[in-house]
Amino acid sequence: QSVLTQPPSASGTPGQRVTISCSGSSSNIGSHTVMWHQQLPGTAPKLLIHSNNQRPSGVPDRFSASKSGTSASLAISGLQSEDEADYYCAAWDDSLNGRVFGGGTKLTVL
Amino acid sequence: QVQLQESGPGLVKPSETLSLTCTVSGGSISSGTYYWSWIRQPAGKGLEWIGRIYSSGSTNYNPSLKSRVTISLDTSKSQFSLKLSSVTAADTAVYYCARESKAVGGTDYWGQGTLVTVSS
Repeated sequence: QSVLTQPPSASGTPGQRVTISCSGSSSNIGSHTVMWHQQLPGTAPKLLIHSNNQRPSGVPDRFSASKSGTSASLAISGLQSEDEADYYCAAWDDSLNGRVFGGGTKLTVL
Repeated sequence: QVQLQESGPGLVKPSETLSLTCTVSGGSISSGTYYWSWIRQPAGKGLEWIGRIYSSGSTNYNPSLKSRVTISLDTSKSQFSLKLSSVTAADTAVYYCARESKAVGGTDYWGQGTLVTVSS
């Protein structure tokens, strides 16, 4: 059972906007910034969002994220087939004194 | 651009010690701006943070693995290593080495991963 809670699956059709939630607690999301990682099938994860809502260079602006209290969310607008992947949220946890990940959300583009 | 590459045995016997090395290129492993970490992923499952090491040698470990994990740093070779003792089949996973950046508050670069199977 993951410390950060994500829905196991999400789906949308091309062009749609989808959101993925990530729920934590005061010891992790409530106290630290949230990152999102994208894992395309058969590949290593890749940084998608850092510092709650910042995109590294090269990440399309179709990807956006936000944080409020002990929850965070990732939004993907103008959904494309190449967005089909697993998405993980992550944050530092003060109680565990370690980094924690969400269980991952498998995004399917219908 | 920094690159990380895992290496080590792909098969380990139960009760033995899993040993992996990560070679870092394109950046200084001695920089005080980064931590160097290990993360694993069992087949079909999510990511599990194992632990990290700072350039000073200080470490943080996942409490659930702490009694079995050692992460060390060899700055002369630009490498860091993972040792996981007393392995069982539950330790079978793809193991990733990664860089954590203070600037972005977490993992910004990942290695490609290496599959380690625990089996007799």
